[in-house]
Amino acid sequence: GAVVSQHPSRVICKSGTSVKIECRSLDFQATTMFWYRQFPKQSLMLMATSNEGSKATYEQGVEKDKFLINHASLTLSTLTVTSAHPEDSSFYICSAREEGASSYNSPLHFGNGTRLTVT
Amino acid sequence: LAKTTQPISMDSYEGQEVNITCSHNNIATNDYITWYQQFPSQGPRFIIQGYKTKVTNEVASLFIPADRKSSTLSLPRVSLSDTAVYYCLVGDRATNAGKSTFGDGTTLTVKP
Repeated sequence: GAVVSQHPSRVICKSGTSVKIECRSLDFQATTMFWYRQFPKQSLMLMATSNEGSKATYEQGVEKDKFLINHASLTLSTLTVTSAHPEDSSFYICSAREEGASSYNSPLHFGNGTRLTVT
Repeated sequence: LAKTTQPISMDSYEGQEVNITCSHNNIATNDYITWYQQFPSQGPRFIIQGYKTKVTNEVASLFIPADRKSSTLSLPRVSLSDTAVYYCLVGDRATNAGKSTFGDGTTLTVKP
């Protein structure tokens, strides 16, 4: 089945530094990927839609200059948390769908998430 | 985007059948209904997807009435390892860039 790989699974960084998280679709192509943030005991909150070859679309209230998204290929999207602060500590998850007519309305496939801790 | 409503939590015992219902009153004609399972510190995992009537796979069944305003995920003979949060999502890959909104989910606790 379709696999989405996310790296790293866990990262600790100091306040003020930037952290990059990678999301790869391993056996399918994805022109669109999604990034979520999840705080403890809460649901996933959609942050942005990553579009291959074009700018990401951010949800209301999400700072695009703080959460930089790059989708340079059909199998890779990256999320960079810039100038991270302790309140950015969270669980970040990406997802993607298989493309193509035969996969119409195929379900989302999720990465295993990245636990970011900013000290 | 269609909003979904689920019970916040449910308890069950090993070996029992568990039914989790999701309400989605404003589901659109092209929307599919998809259920996901999430364990702590992991990404959600696909369980089952359907459009109408009944869908069954090796792990669950999904019942969707004719008006499609709700759906019920049925887990047969649950085990302790089924303890997780279950989310129902409603959406269509062709609209809204295929994005769906996660509701609060249902925390299922299976007891021995």
